Amino acid sequence: DAGVIQSPRHEVTEMGQEVTLRCKPISGHDYLFWYRQTMMRGLELLIYFNNNVPIDDSGMPEDRFSAKMPNASFSTLKIQPSEPRDSAVYFCASSFDRWELFFGEGSRLTVL
Amino acid sequence: AQTVTQSQPEMSVQEAETVTLSCTYDTSESDYYLFWYKQPPSRQMILVIRQEAYKQQNATENRFSVNFQKAAKSFSLKISDSQLGDAAMYFCACSGYALNFGKGTSLLVTP
Repeated sequence: DAGVIQSPRHEVTEMGQEVTLRCKPISGHDYLFWYRQTMMRGLELLIYFNNNVPIDDSGMPEDRFSAKMPNASFSTLKIQPSEPRDSAVYFCASSFDRWELFFGEGSRLTVL
Repeated sequence: AQTVTQSQPEMSVQEAETVTLSCTYDTSESDYYLFWYKQPPSRQMILVIRQEAYKQQNATENRFSVNFQKAAKSFSLKISDSQLGDAAMYFCACSGYALNFGKGTSLLVTP
């Protein structure tokens, strides 16, 4: 059974550009989470969905960040415009019970 | 708000030896879950072990076991017969409104 699939694995972009990160959760998992990992702040929850509906986006740092889940098998996290301080590893995770998370391999974003 | 504290930024263990990683948490929930995740250099977060707070018995998974002290809000991870492949960052996590993670402990395994 395939795990959580994220793309791209690495993204290097220039300040001001739009960045879109993609995630395919494990089939049958009703919960999807986006986390950000930095050395300074560790793992931070950005947003999570239940049955494709955003439940809590209080962790989204600014209006520059947006996330969508148009169907049960796909989600995107978009940053527009990107800034150097957005550089981090972004993880998508899915869950069948809300608590036990299955993570993707992460997308490392570098904003120059 | 829930907090998870890992007081050991780095730990070192010799191959075949045993090491214990510490974790304390704070939650107001009566029912919750605790987890240990491993993050090797490949970056992917991998579930190591899960503990339900209502279960008194400590969870075990092969060489990995926990010491769950509910009253003390302590959840340590013991790795027995350490292997080179155990070298990684280890994160403790506690369920609350969402899953909250500690800052991690970097485990070095020496031959």
